[in-house]
Amino acid sequence: RKEVEQDPGPFNVPEGATVAFNCTYSNSASQSFFWYRQDCRKEPKLLMSVYSSGNEDGRFTAQLNRASQYISLLIRDSKLSDSATYLCVVNKESGGYQKVTFGTGTKLQVIP
Amino acid sequence: IAGITQAPTSQILAAGRRMTLRCTQDMRHNAMYWYRQDLGLGLRLIHYSNTAGTTGKGEVPDGYSVSRANTDDFPLTLASAVPSQTSVYFCASSDSVRNYNEQFFGPGTRLTVL
Repeated sequence: RKEVEQDPGPFNVPEGATVAFNCTYSNSASQSFFWYRQDCRKEPKLLMSVYSSGNEDGRFTAQLNRASQYISLLIRDSKLSDSATYLCVVNKESGGYQKVTFGTGTKLQVIP
Repeated sequence: IAGITQAPTSQILAAGRRMTLRCTQDMRHNAMYWYRQDLGLGLRLIHYSNTAGTTGKGEVPDGYSVSRANTDDFPLTLASAVPSQTSVYFCASSDSVRNYNEQFFGPGTRLTVL
């Protein structure tokens, strides 16, 4: 089983739609969680951190469920500019460094 | 420069050749990382450095070496390139190691080994 698993998609949604991605992780000792965004042929960039209490940034809402070991990202009122690959990232301190594990990403295509 | 730069942007390399990928950051981050990204496998950590003068092995270190002579530079060397090292290589840095902060990525180097 992969340490971090995501549905690769693609998710094809119309503009204005709401879309949700889930990500599961296998290590219950994982400490921190993030969503990164990666545009085609570009580097990943931090979208938002994920907290147990849930957090919102504009149209984006992230949730963490430690009991079930999954993370979610909700995008409301999708824009064409949201088209990208979304990477789930899980972090745990291991042997003196931060072991960061990236999911393989979920591709989102927002259609006009 | 602002952020992280990588060079070259892309490279085609004959198998068996030695190659160094360069990475420089100007954010004074103590931690730096090298990842490779392959289709279907995501980003995998090759080597990391917690601070200047120290390095460590990541998930896929074989065939690669790194050095960290100063805070800003973190070159990755392929001593004798093989086709399986064809990939996109990303360098990243972060402000702290013990308490994970955002990783900032360079634009990547696309390497093809023939």
